[in-house]
Amino acid sequence: QKEVEQDPGPLSVPEGAIVSLNCTYSNSAFQYFMWYRQYSRKGPELLMYTYSSGNKEDGRFTAQVDKSSKYISLFIRDSQPSDSATYLCAMSPPGSARQLTFGSGTQLTVLP
Amino acid sequence: GAVVSQHPSWVICKSGTSVKIECRSLDFQATTMFWYRQFPKQSLMLMATSNEGSKATYEQGVEKDKFLINHASLTLSTLTVTSAHPEDSSFYICSAKPADRGEGDTQYFGPGTRLTVL
Repeated sequence: QKEVEQDPGPLSVPEGAIVSLNCTYSNSAFQYFMWYRQYSRKGPELLMYTYSSGNKEDGRFTAQVDKSSKYISLFIRDSQPSDSATYLCAMSPPGSARQLTFGSGTQLTVLP
Repeated sequence: GAVVSQHPSWVICKSGTSVKIECRSLDFQATTMFWYRQFPKQSLMLMATSNEGSKATYEQGVEKDKFLINHASLTLSTLTVTSAHPEDSSFYICSAKPADRGEGDTQYFGPGTRLTVL
């Protein structure tokens, strides 16, 4: 079993839809949770960063962390064609040089 | 802020030659940089962790004599693929972790380098 599980998709939604992306994990030591967006042939771009449980909102994006269920989510409201990309969840335990553990990524297409 | 650059963005080389890829943190200092490899439609695979002024730590299965990493300063790490072969063709991405920010373990990624070995 992988430490981080993420549905690879592909996921296609119409423009304006609410998108829900999810990851589950098994390592209870994870404290830092991140969502990255990666366009084709580009490096990942940090979208959201949260520490421990709770919600964080930034514009159209909302990240949720439920440590009791070992489940994290990223919601995209009013999705746009420009949101079409691969979304990677990543997480790590505390520590100054801890490596990130990535999900496999979910490929999202927002249709105009 | 938190911009990471990579050079070159795309390189084509002949089998048996060596290729050097540079990773720079442009507006912050990074004591730790990471090198990843990504195959099409797959997630990032960590190759090694690079610490300024010390030897890199390689992941299991990554040949340290083939993938030479040098982290000579707080803003520059290099990856040299020695005696490259077609199976080394991939997308190589670096990331850097800011040394002086209270952001836990956030990493910022470069744009990637696409290596094609003929």
